[in-house]
Amino acid sequence: DTGVSQNPRHKITKRGQNVTFRCDPISEHNRLYWYRQTLGQGPEFLTYFQNEAQLEKSRLLSDRFSAERPKGSFSTLEIQRTEQGDSAMYLCASSSGAAEFFGPGTRLTVL
Amino acid sequence: AQSVAQPEDQVNVAEGNPLTVKCTYSVSGNPYLFWYVQYPNRGLQFLLKYITGDNLVKGSYGFEAEFNKSQTSFHLKKPSALVSDSALYFCAVRDEDSSYKLIFGSGTRLLVRP
Repeated sequence: DTGVSQNPRHKITKRGQNVTFRCDPISEHNRLYWYRQTLGQGPEFLTYFQNEAQLEKSRLLSDRFSAERPKGSFSTLEIQRTEQGDSAMYLCASSSGAAEFFGPGTRLTVL
Repeated sequence: AQSVAQPEDQVNVAEGNPLTVKCTYSVSGNPYLFWYVQYPNRGLQFLLKYITGDNLVKGSYGFEAEFNKSQTSFHLKKPSALVSDSALYFCAVRDEDSSYKLIFGSGTRLLVRP
């Protein structure tokens, strides 16, 4: 399968714990995006990488959130001190041009 | 500010009938427009995009969309609906002059009855 992959697919954690998600984009894609989707809503943009450079961040990305793409390949999204409001589907997408291709998402549940 | 509106929460259509899912947008620069489909517990699948050129764009699974600049619309259409088309559809826009991000609508649930 040469699509975007995300791990884990599901994560249940207790409030206050840290979590980290991984995204492996389509190999030739230099653009990588993170979005968050809550139930009944469209995805909301979190951050964008071009190669290893983080070029755009949403105001939704509080200081508890950090994203990296160290070698311009895979990316990680870390949430520190999770809150119940962080419960959502976290989607990763990659692109080499006009259209983003999305992974299956990581569903986070914060108890 | 960029925005996308999908005025219908749900669209119901009988199998074999044509379907339309509506989308209007607002951007300050040149719009790049997209349609995605989402099945339960799945990520988004790309259907089609409008960047420039012909206003009628053809995409995956027999879907097409028409870009109308004067009405700032990008409605999704299909001549003959299938039960398997039942899913959640999202319209999205990017203002290529100012941002890399996609702005999504709230989604329209399409229900195709046999």
